[in-house]
Amino acid sequence: EAGVVQSPRYKIIEKKQPVAFWCNPISGHNTLYWYRQNLGQGPELLIRYENEEAVDDSQLPKDRFSAERLKGVDSTLKIQPAELGDSAVYLCASSPWDSQETQYFGPGTRLLVL
Amino acid sequence: KQEVTQIPAALSVPEGENLVLNCSFTDSAIYNLQWFRQDPGKGLTSLLLIQSSQREQTSGRLNASLDKSSGRSTLYIAASQPGDSATYLCAATGANSKLTFGKGITLSVRP
Repeated sequence: EAGVVQSPRYKIIEKKQPVAFWCNPISGHNTLYWYRQNLGQGPELLIRYENEEAVDDSQLPKDRFSAERLKGVDSTLKIQPAELGDSAVYLCASSPWDSQETQYFGPGTRLLVL
Repeated sequence: KQEVTQIPAALSVPEGENLVLNCSFTDSAIYNLQWFRQDPGKGLTSLLLIQSSQREQTSGRLNASLDKSSGRSTLYIAASQPGDSATYLCAATGANSKLTFGKGITLSVRP
């Protein structure tokens, strides 16, 4: 069974530029999460989807961040414009509807904003 | 608001040593407590999950305990090996399956 797939794995951009991250969850998992992990910190939830509906986006900085999960499968997280403080690892995770306490994490996208 | 603390931030031990990693949380109203492993440049791998009604879980050389009343969990690693070197994070699960993570403990096992 394929795990959670994320791309790109690494991204370097200049501040004020836009950037997008893509996530393909494990097949059949209806819940998808985006986390941000700053250096030396634990992951922090940005947004959680149940199918195509964002059920918790309270921690998503909506002035510059946006996310979508069309058709309830893969998802895209966008930052526009990026700031220096956005440098972090962006992790995607998914879980099946009948075991939402178990989250399967992707390898993450490491973003560096210069 | 749930806060999860892991101290120390880093630990170095010789191979073969038994060790305990500590985790504390402020809100005892949790559904479960999980321990994850993170290798450099990789995502998180779940090691053990302890339900709120349980006291401990075991998997191979790993044993995790949970004391909700005191807001503490420990991860015990028996006979540590260099391959155990990684960052270990604990996470408390609250309402709506929301995970609150600690900052992690970076473990180095010296050959």
